[in-house]
Formats: sequence, C-alpha cells, structure tokens
Amino acid sequence: QVKLLQSGAALVKPGASVKMSCKASGYTFTDYWVSWVKQSHGKSLEWIGEIYPNSGATNFNEKFKGKATLTVDKSTSTAYMELSRLTSEDSAIYYCTRVLWPTDYFDYWGQGVMVTVSS
Amino acid sequence: DIQMTQSPSSMSVSLGDTVTITCRASQDVGIYVNWFQQKPGKSPRRMIYRATNLADGVPSRFSGSRSGSDYSLTISSLESEDVADYHCLQYDEYPYTFGAGTKLELK
Repeated sequence: QVKLLQSGAALVKPGASVKMSCKASGYTFTDYWVSWVKQSHGKSLEWIGEIYPNSGATNFNEKFKGKATLTVDKSTSTAYMELSRLTSEDSAIYYCTRVLWPTDYFDYWGQGVMVTVSS
Repeated sequence: DIQMTQSPSSMSVSLGDTVTITCRASQDVGIYVNWFQQKPGKSPRRMIYRATNLADGVPSRFSGSRSGSDYSLTISSLESEDVADYHCLQYDEYPYTFGAGTKLELK
C-alpha cells in the first residue's frame, strides 16, 4: 500500500535550518510529484511547492521561494525539504503528499513533521 | 493568487444532521477542487476530488457539488466519526490554495 513516511519532530534555533524527509513506498516514486504543505496554528493549510522526482523540476509558491529547498533521492525514493533562516513564523507542521494529473492530487499524505523554532 | 473563501469557519452540529460547507473561488477553477477531512493530530484525508468525485473508502453520505464558483461538501446524516475539520483546495492554478477550514463541533 502507498505510504509516505516522514522524519521526526525538530526543535531548532532561530536563524538555523532544518531538513526533513519523506520516504515513499507502495508506488513508483518517479511517476508522481511530491508536494509539501504547511499547517500553522493547527488549522490553515498552505501549499509550499512540489518536485518531480524523475527530473528534479520544481514549482513553488512565491511566498516560500528562498525559504524552502526541495530535493529528492531516487535511489531511496525519498523527498527532502530544507527550510532556511528559521523564525517563529516557521513553527508549524509540514506534510508531504503526492500528486499525479489528473485524479491523484493529494490522495496520500505523510504523517507530518512538527517543527518548533525556539531559542 | 486564487482565494478560496470557506464558510462557515465553525459549525455546531447534531448527529443525524445534514451539513453543508462551502468554498467560493475568487476566479474560475473549473472542477479542480478537493475536499479534505482532518481529525486532531492526524493528516488530512482526501474525501472528494475533482469537485464531485468520492475518494476511495469514503462513505456515501459525503458528496461534493459545484454551482458556478461555489463548491460544496455535504454530509448527510452526520455520524460521530464525521466531527472534524474540513478543508477545500483548488489545484487549477499555481499556487494551489486552501480554504481557511471549517470546524464541526457537536452541540
């Protein structure tokens, strides 16, 4: 079955960076885009961007350009997101999810990574 | 960016109620709207895709509809397991955007 297994929670200092992972299984990793979604304050969701593992192509929400870097390791079917220059506004839960035109948009989600930015 | 204006933000409901949640898109997004259910401490679960299609394993009491730029999620005969947060998403145009969410609470 399809699974997206994300890395564990992170406590990081302001100004630092954090890199999280999303390991896919149960489907062909290179066929689907991997999208990343931020959830702040336990409710609202924001789309950060996406990466196509087959080519490394990316699309970003302008709001997160310069903040998020997306990469993949095809050999391990793992997608990564690195967030840089962290502030308290980056404290949130981050989810990975998969996307395939035309029907498999956000059909499976990882369990989420809680990032806390605090000194 | 396309705004998805979701209403209501919260709703007090009773078991057996028919519940309707709506998202209004600020511009045409066609059929490219999903609905998600999210329970506390859990990831979102896709309930409806392409505005009206029931996702795999979702009970038939859930349905999605569209009227112009208004998209609705309806839950018929609400059950206790349906008490959760619900989110809409448009994926017609980048950046994909979500509604602000609706919280269902039992009276």
